Amino acid sequence: DIQMTQSPSTLSTSVGDRVTITCRASQNINSWLAWYQQKPGKAPKLLIYEASSLQTGVPSRFSGSGSGTEFTLTITSLQPEDFATYYCQHYNNGFPYTFGQGTKLEIK
Amino acid sequence: EVQLVESGGGLVQPGGSLRLSCSASGFTFSSYTMHWVRQAPGKGLEYVAAMTSKGGSVYYADSGKGRFTISRDNSRSTLYLQMSSLRVEDSAVYYCVKDEADDSRGYYGSGCFDSWGQGALVTVSS
Repeated sequence: DIQMTQSPSTLSTSVGDRVTITCRASQNINSWLAWYQQKPGKAPKLLIYEASSLQTGVPSRFSGSGSGTEFTLTITSLQPEDFATYYCQHYNNGFPYTFGQGTKLEIK
Repeated sequence: EVQLVESGGGLVQPGGSLRLSCSASGFTFSSYTMHWVRQAPGKGLEYVAAMTSKGGSVYYADSGKGRFTISRDNSRSTLYLQMSSLRVEDSAVYYCVKDEADDSRGYYGSGCFDSWGQGALVTVSS
């Protein structure tokens, strides 16, 4: 199975900051990577698919990049509603579709 | 608007059984692979199971193999997860999840999840 590793696990940030979260795959997944945002008590929400494509309705301050085994999610000018936990997930070449362990953005 | 509404969660004793249901609306249910993903309290997301659009193929993560059964009734736009021999470690919120790709783009869907239900809490405890 492909393992997904996110860093950092927790990030203390402030409104207005630029934030970068990294996700590494244990093998080449091309660009078959998604990013999800989850707020407490809520279901995850798709932000980015195919590593860099923005899901409809997601603010443009969110962006994704990378291919192969290294990927990043960047949030420019962090807003109060962006404090949440973010997960990467690969969907390369079939089951199982594994998630990273999550990165929690906390208010500094 | 896509809506996925889970039901059937609750408290069950170790070794017991439970069936989750997911009622879908707002899209052509019979054209999409559907998935179950779970999240233990305070933990990350874990992929559980999938069933292709017409029910021809299923997948189970190792954690549920031999104990969980995924099924669907396309006439009712409903997805199910039958769970038996439940363990304490199966305690989690179980999400019903829609694949973003319909079956014209691939038999198994894409594996990217564009809609999630609100989740059903399953607690396994004596």
